[in-house]
Amino acid sequence: DVKVTQSSRYLVKRTGEKVFLECVQDMDHENMFWYRQDPGLGLRLIYFSYDVKMKEKGDIPEGYSVSREKKERFSLILESASTNQTSMYLCASTASRANQPQHFGDGTRLSIL
Amino acid sequence: SQKIEQNSEALNIQEGKTATLTCNYTNYSPAYLQWYRQDPGRGPVFLLLIRENEKEKRKERLKVTFDTTLKQSLFHITASQPADSATYLCALDPWAGNNRKLIWGLGTSLGVNP
Repeated sequence: DVKVTQSSRYLVKRTGEKVFLECVQDMDHENMFWYRQDPGLGLRLIYFSYDVKMKEKGDIPEGYSVSREKKERFSLILESASTNQTSMYLCASTASRANQPQHFGDGTRLSIL
Repeated sequence: SQKIEQNSEALNIQEGKTATLTCNYTNYSPAYLQWYRQDPGRGPVFLLLIRENEKEKRKERLKVTFDTTLKQSLFHITASQPADSATYLCALDPWAGNNRKLIWGLGTSLGVNP
């Protein structure tokens, strides 16, 4: 079974802090994704990566950056955390060939105070 | 604009009945459509995928249909159980490339009462 592991289930940080969210997958997937999920807004794509050191902006990249130095690891960085970034953050991975599902981690519930 | 819609109202049914959830889309010609289950505080879990040339797909008590003329997919759970209570998400793959970005619906909350 594919396993996608996110480093923290719950995280509390302060406004202005630099925040790192880590995600690791164990299936050698080419593609990795970071989403945030808010009530009434559904899953919104922040960034995705289709190869090591490659990244593309999703729908809501402002205030975020990402890093993919190794194939199995995809990091989301909040450069200067703000209260409107309080959310559930979900990481996913998938193989690049067609008809493959996305595999999700259990999410990080991030609170910015 | 490109859009994907699911029943916004929560669906509550009696145990043993069939639950039917709807996913409608506009302005896409998706290669395939996926259904996921999400429990509170957890990530979505993949359930079923149906391709554009398939009318119906089954897996145990689950059935998905895909009507590209109506631009609609229906997701059925037969002989529903309280353990089926969750939010169900549909997602389209509209892209010809290999990055596998999906377009997500907001999900429908299903409650199955004992």
